[in-house]
Amino acid sequence: DGGITQSPKYLFRKEGQNVTLSCEQNLNHDAMYWYRQDPGQGLRLIYYSQIVNDFQKGDIAEGYSVSREKKESFPLTVTSAQKNPTAFYLCASRDGQGNTGELFFGEGSRLTVL
Amino acid sequence: QQPVQSPQAVILREGEDAVINCSSSKALYSVHWYRQKHGEAPVFLMILLKGGEQKGHDKISASFNEKKQQSSLYLTASQLSYSGTYFCGTITPGGTSYGKLTFGQGTILTVHP
Repeated sequence: DGGITQSPKYLFRKEGQNVTLSCEQNLNHDAMYWYRQDPGQGLRLIYYSQIVNDFQKGDIAEGYSVSREKKESFPLTVTSAQKNPTAFYLCASRDGQGNTGELFFGEGSRLTVL
Repeated sequence: QQPVQSPQAVILREGEDAVINCSSSKALYSVHWYRQKHGEAPVFLMILLKGGEQKGHDKISASFNEKKQQSSLYLTASQLSYSGTYFCGTITPGGTSYGKLTFGQGTILTVHP
């Protein structure tokens, strides 16, 4: 079945370590997104990509990095520069043609910094 | 800049109606609505496009006032399954922010028997 796969589902990290969250989609979507979710703050956009080899910063990109080398993959690295990385991270994709497609979300990755 | 949703929370009894509002300080190309249940990923409800086109579920209705840069989601004859957090997301037209989909802070809807 088509969908978005995020891994790992749960991740624990020590302070000062970088960690990479995986996001893979087989929906043939051009656009992919990373959101961070904290209680009471909704979904905040970290990075987004409309096409392979191109991506844009969202509203809270500091301390994060991404790559988009393949259409189906959009990994997110949480670097040690991110001051408060404990959160629920959601990856999503959509058909970007004409900006009319809805978002399909993965199941999320919960990162805890110890 | 994130759109602003109101109210922040709503409590209903089964069968009652609710309206959730979403407003933006910028001109909008489209408005998205999603519902998220605790511990799950958000699920698509509806898209409203500039020009009047809509795409979504038959049992959900919404409006989009382009001039006021506002959208409202109408939940009628609520059921227990409607409980969850509702998010509106907005896309502004063109430029360097092409495709940027930004969400509001969410509205928590609780339906009691």
